[in-house]
Amino acid sequence: EAQVTQNPRYLITVTGKKLTVTCSQNMNHEYMSWYRQDPGLGLRQIYYSMNVEVTDKGDVPEGYKVSRKEKRNFPLILESPSPNQTSLYFCASSWDRGYNSPLHFGNGTRLTVT
Amino acid sequence: SQELEQSPQSLIVQEGKNLTINCTSSKTLYGLYWYKQKYGEGLIFLMMLQKGGEEKSHEKITAKLDEKKQQSSLHITASQPSHAGIYLCGADIKSSGTYKYIFGTGTRLKVLA
Repeated sequence: EAQVTQNPRYLITVTGKKLTVTCSQNMNHEYMSWYRQDPGLGLRQIYYSMNVEVTDKGDVPEGYKVSRKEKRNFPLILESPSPNQTSLYFCASSWDRGYNSPLHFGNGTRLTVT
Repeated sequence: SQELEQSPQSLIVQEGKNLTINCTSSKTLYGLYWYKQKYGEGLIFLMMLQKGGEEKSHEKITAKLDEKKQQSSLHITASQPSHAGIYLCGADIKSSGTYKYIFGTGTRLKVLA
């Protein structure tokens, strides 16, 4: 089954404790992206990757890191999480990021930082 | 200000009623996508519209893109409780010569049985 898989679904952590949210897609998509969703602010892009070893900042990259060593995986790293990073995170992928290429989303990771 | 405005923000309808959600931009929409999100879960792709005047239907949901490609509507006929959720529009717009993918803030739909 074609899908984007994120783990974990739920994560509670403390300020400053490094964490990684994994994302994997099995559709051979070139483009992958991370979003956070907050009430009243909608979906905001954190980082994206056009292909292996090619990553770029989205609208809200501060406090996050990503890597794209393989086509299928695009982990999101929070080196020193803070409470303002409490949010619902989504990984998404598509064939490319020209136009007319719908995004396929993972089921989300709900992160709470205390 | 939001580049992709969605209205209404929330909607409560009685089961069986029709409803329409709108998505508007001041810029040309090169690709327009509709997604549905169940509360706290991932987004499910519903439909994509590319050409001005295009209309697509799937079961009881119809999406249209206007001729100018700046506004789209999502119409649900004879709504059911299974239609409840958050509907988001997404679009490709051109910004500084490159395509940028943006989202509306969503419409929260509740269907009363």
